[in-house]
Amino acid sequence: DIVMTQSPDSLAVSLGERATINCKSSQSVFYSSNNKNYLAWYQQKPGQPPKLLISWASTRESGVPDRFSGSGSGTDFTLTISSLQAEDVAVYYCQQYHSPPPFTFGPGTKVDIK
Amino acid sequence: EVQLVESGGGLVQPGGSLRLSCAASGFTFSSSWMSWVRQAPRKGLEWVATIKQDGSVTYYVDSVKGRFSISRDNAKNSVYLQMSSLRAEDTAVYYCARTSSNNWAASPSYDWGQGTLVTVSS
Repeated sequence: DIVMTQSPDSLAVSLGERATINCKSSQSVFYSSNNKNYLAWYQQKPGQPPKLLISWASTRESGVPDRFSGSGSGTDFTLTISSLQAEDVAVYYCQQYHSPPPFTFGPGTKVDIK
Repeated sequence: EVQLVESGGGLVQPGGSLRLSCAASGFTFSSSWMSWVRQAPRKGLEWVATIKQDGSVTYYVDSVKGRFSISRDNAKNSVYLQMSSLRAEDTAVYYCARTSSNNWAASPSYDWGQGTLVTVSS
């Protein structure tokens, strides 16, 4: 099974500053046949279900603010919030969905306001 | 608007059984793979199971294989999770999620329900 790790476990960033979250997979989640990375990022606010922010490592979902961006390939990925807003306080998870299952999640990174 | 509404959670004794349901609307249910994901109290997310559009293919995380069964009824736009031989470590909020609409399970979870809490305790 592919193991996902995230760093840091938590971070506190001032409003308007950049937040960077790293995600690493134990093996590559890149398919050369279609040139895609099978990696998603989710945001979970307290008391709410997760919300898909980014799929295929860098494709922002409809309605997601453009301050959120995803990058990386193979085994190393990054979620960047370019200018942190109060409403971005949440836990962020990466997930690999490279076949075959299980489609494992990272342990999560908690983002707070400094 | 996509809506996923889970039900069936509750308190069950260790070794007991429970059946979760998820009613879907706002999309073509019969065209979508569907998944269950769980979250233990104050813990992270764990993918549990996924089922193909016609129910012919299912996948499970190792920890529930042989104990949980995912199924669906496309006529009722519903997906189910039959859970048996429940253990304390199965205590979690269980989320239903809409995933792929193609031939492959490999997909993010695009839409999520609000979840239903399962508590396994004596």
